[in-house]
Amino acid sequence: GAVVSQHPSWVICKSGTSVKIECRSLDFQATTMFWYRQFPKQSLMLMATSNEGSKATYEQGVEKDKFLINHASLTLSTLTVTSAHPEDSSFYICSARDRVGANTEAFFGQGTRLTVV
Amino acid sequence: AQSVTQPDIHITVSEGASLELRCNYSYGATPYLFWYVQSPGQGLQLLLKYFSGDTLVQGIKGFEAEFKRSQSSFNLRKPSVHWSDAAEYFCAVGARTGGFKTIFGAGTRLFVKA
Repeated sequence: GAVVSQHPSWVICKSGTSVKIECRSLDFQATTMFWYRQFPKQSLMLMATSNEGSKATYEQGVEKDKFLINHASLTLSTLTVTSAHPEDSSFYICSARDRVGANTEAFFGQGTRLTVV
Repeated sequence: AQSVTQPDIHITVSEGASLELRCNYSYGATPYLFWYVQSPGQGLQLLLKYFSGDTLVQGIKGFEAEFKRSQSSFNLRKPSVHWSDAAEYFCAVGARTGGFKTIFGAGTRLFVKA
């Protein structure tokens, strides 16, 4: 089956530093990847849609300069949290949609727990 | 733009009893519909999905859901709940065009009592 891998699974960083999270589709090509954020005991909020070879589309209220998204290949998208602060601590989840086929769902990674201290 | 409503924040069911989790959506056409389950601190697991065809969808772990266009609903059901079903359940709606993004409902926390 389709597998999406996120790395790292968890990360602790100091306030003011930047953190990069990788999302890889292991056995399919994904022209579109999605980044979500989940606060404790809350739902997943879509942050942005990442398109291979073009700029990401951010949802309203998401700071594009703070959450840098790069989708350099058909199997890799990265989310960089720049100048991280404690309020950025959250669970970040990516998903990827297979470029082949109309009726396909997006497959989710296992998530990355970011803690900013 | 699509939206999803899960009216029940939490539900408590006795083990062995039946379960129904409600989900209503808003979308201009027939959307993709999903139910996911998430255990604490874990990622998402897809229970079932609806794309087209038969409106009664069977999923994993004995779950099923029925798409009712007239009610804009996609309720999740299970005839007999097991203690291991206790988790957070998310209904999600996927757009068929324009990027195919998926939006999640607020979630329903299921508690199972012995």
